[in-house]
Amino acid sequence: QSALTQPASVSGSPGQSITISCTGTSSDVGAYNYVSWYQQHPGKAPKLMIYDVSNRPSGVSNRFSGSKSGNTASLTISGLQAEDEADYYCSSYTRSSTVVFGGGTKLTVL
Amino acid sequence: EVQLVESGGGLVQPGGSLRLSCAASGFTFSSYWMHWVRQAPGKGLVWVSRINRDGSSTNYADSVKGRFTTSRDNAKNTLYLQMNSLRAEDTAVYYCARDLNAAAEYWGQGNLVTVSS
Repeated sequence: QSALTQPASVSGSPGQSITISCTGTSSDVGAYNYVSWYQQHPGKAPKLMIYDVSNRPSGVSNRFSGSKSGNTASLTISGLQAEDEADYYCSSYTRSSTVVFGGGTKLTVL
Repeated sequence: EVQLVESGGGLVQPGGSLRLSCAASGFTFSSYWMHWVRQAPGKGLVWVSRINRDGSSTNYADSVKGRFTTSRDNAKNTLYLQMNSLRAEDTAVYYCARDLNAAAEYWGQGNLVTVSS
């Protein structure tokens, strides 16, 4: 159950777009379309932003989008806003019927 | 409104036991799988376990398998995490969450468990 691989940090200026990658294996990300993304602000509980690779829960801005190619999933945030500054985590269902998270990515809005 | 409220955390000595509870409201608890996820201080999210709707099936991370047990009481709308043989590395904020296709859709506020002598 190795953690999915995410970049430790990404940054962008307000209004720009950024993409965070999440690399797994053929036993998790590549096996199912059950990849999800979470946003976590300091001291707060995580918030689901994307599920089933590219679906947004009700109330999540359409500036957030997800995709997947092979063993790598991606989260794209367009029109960056100051409030987007947070930690982001991906997760995936696995062939072992477990769930695995990525190590997390700190997004800095410059 | 969906609400998940964890309780039962605190300070415990290495080798000790603790049971966390997660009280659910605002939805039909028995219709949803549920998760436990933890986060060590300053670290990332780590999935702990998942339980199906009637409690007949559970899955665990390798790091807690054999030591932690997840259960539920649908009559009380409550999820449980029994933690035995606790280690210092189990120190974390523990979150319960409602499942959505293996994602964690709604989260509790978290409950801190500290394992220390």
